Amino acid sequence: DGGITQSPKYLFRKEGQNVTLSCEQNLNHDAMYWYRQDPGQGLRLIYYSQIVNDFQKGDIAEGYSVSREKKESFPLTVTSAQKNPTAFYLCASSNWQGMDNEQFFGPGTRLTVL
Amino acid sequence: KQEVTQIPAALSVPEGENLVLNCSFTDSAIYNLQWFRQDPGKGLTSLLLIQSSQREQTSGRLNASLDKSSGRSTLYIAASQPGDSATYLCAALNAGGTSYGKLTFGQGTILTVHP
Repeated sequence: DGGITQSPKYLFRKEGQNVTLSCEQNLNHDAMYWYRQDPGQGLRLIYYSQIVNDFQKGDIAEGYSVSREKKESFPLTVTSAQKNPTAFYLCASSNWQGMDNEQFFGPGTRLTVL
Repeated sequence: KQEVTQIPAALSVPEGENLVLNCSFTDSAIYNLQWFRQDPGKGLTSLLLIQSSQREQTSGRLNASLDKSSGRSTLYIAASQPGDSATYLCAALNAGGTSYGKLTFGQGTILTVHP
């Protein structure tokens, strides 16, 4: 069954803690992405990776970090430096092929800061 | 910088109506435009992708059109059903500038189809 999995579905964080969100894909896609979604706002790009061992900052990278050690995995760490981390986090993947670059999304992780 | 706008922000219609959702973008340098559906608390489901060289795409009761020169795309839903109730998002894949290779999303249209 091909697709993108994210875990956990719900995550609670105390002030000052770092937490890591998992994203795995078995679609053999080269590119992976992390987005943040807040009520009343569109999706905003945090980080993306076009290839293993390489990644770039998106529009709102401050307070976040990522790694891309394997093609199928792109974990996101929300650090204590992120001032307002409560949000819905979505991971996506695609083949990096210009007009055929179609992004597919995982089910999301809802992070709440207590 | 690319900006994507969706109108209306919310739409409520009776079952069976045909309806149109609008999406406009400011920079015509795009590779493609994607339409997504999002149910409450869920991820995005890809509905249709229109490449920049195409004019429209169809899937079942859905038809999406693209007019790159005017910066507009529309999603047409025929014979709407209560199960179509969801938020619909459009996103442009940028082909130039500082947003190269990135998707820019609209804020979505919340659709409610009542029986």
